[in-house]
Amino acid sequence: EGQLVESGGGLVQPGRSLRLSCAASGFTFGDSTMHWVRRAPGKGLEWLAHISWDSGSIGYAGSVKGRFTISRDNAKNTLHLQMNRLRVEDTAFYYCASQPQGWLARFDRWGQGSLVTVSS
Amino acid sequence: QSVLTQSPSASGTPGQRVTISCSGRTSNIGDNTLNWYQQLPGAAPKLLIYGNHQRPSGVPDRFSASKSGTSASLAISGLQSEDEADYYCATWDDKLNGVVFGGGTKLTVL
Repeated sequence: EGQLVESGGGLVQPGRSLRLSCAASGFTFGDSTMHWVRRAPGKGLEWLAHISWDSGSIGYAGSVKGRFTISRDNAKNTLHLQMNRLRVEDTAFYYCASQPQGWLARFDRWGQGSLVTVSS
Repeated sequence: QSVLTQSPSASGTPGQRVTISCSGRTSNIGDNTLNWYQQLPGAAPKLLIYGNHQRPSGVPDRFSASKSGTSASLAISGLQSEDEADYYCATWDDKLNGVVFGGGTKLTVL
């Protein structure tokens, strides 16, 4: 079945940085396109970024482009999200999700979520 | 303002059939397959429907979906209390070059 486990969330001041990680197990991580999705309090799901299996294709939502960087290490089965210049409105649960080859927006596996709180 | 439009709420009584709609444009729903996600309170989202109408293993056949043009719908028959959750449609948008979600529909089982 496979599993995704996020880590790295917490309380951070506006303008500071935070790095989220997502550890994959039980499936072929290196074959999957990976995504980050968040849900802010009182709001719906928001897609943030994707990275192809070989890191050759990367894309971002406009709300985080230039501030967030997605990366992956296939040797360690790990996905990362580097978040810089954080804003109060970035407060949310952050989820990593895997997408099988040949599909778009089909997120078969989700992590449990990591809470990021941006506050002074 | 979400790219895909969903009604904010829906409700039904146990055993009823409810439908949740999702509308978009050619660049998203019109030209790409649609997926549906269920998010139970306090839990991570879960894939409910992929490829417009296909159910992953383990999803009851009470859940069905269809797509026509730039609109889609999710139907839940034999409504149960455990179906109370937020439901989201999602697809790729060719113009935005990214995934787009609907704003979500909160389903209440009365």
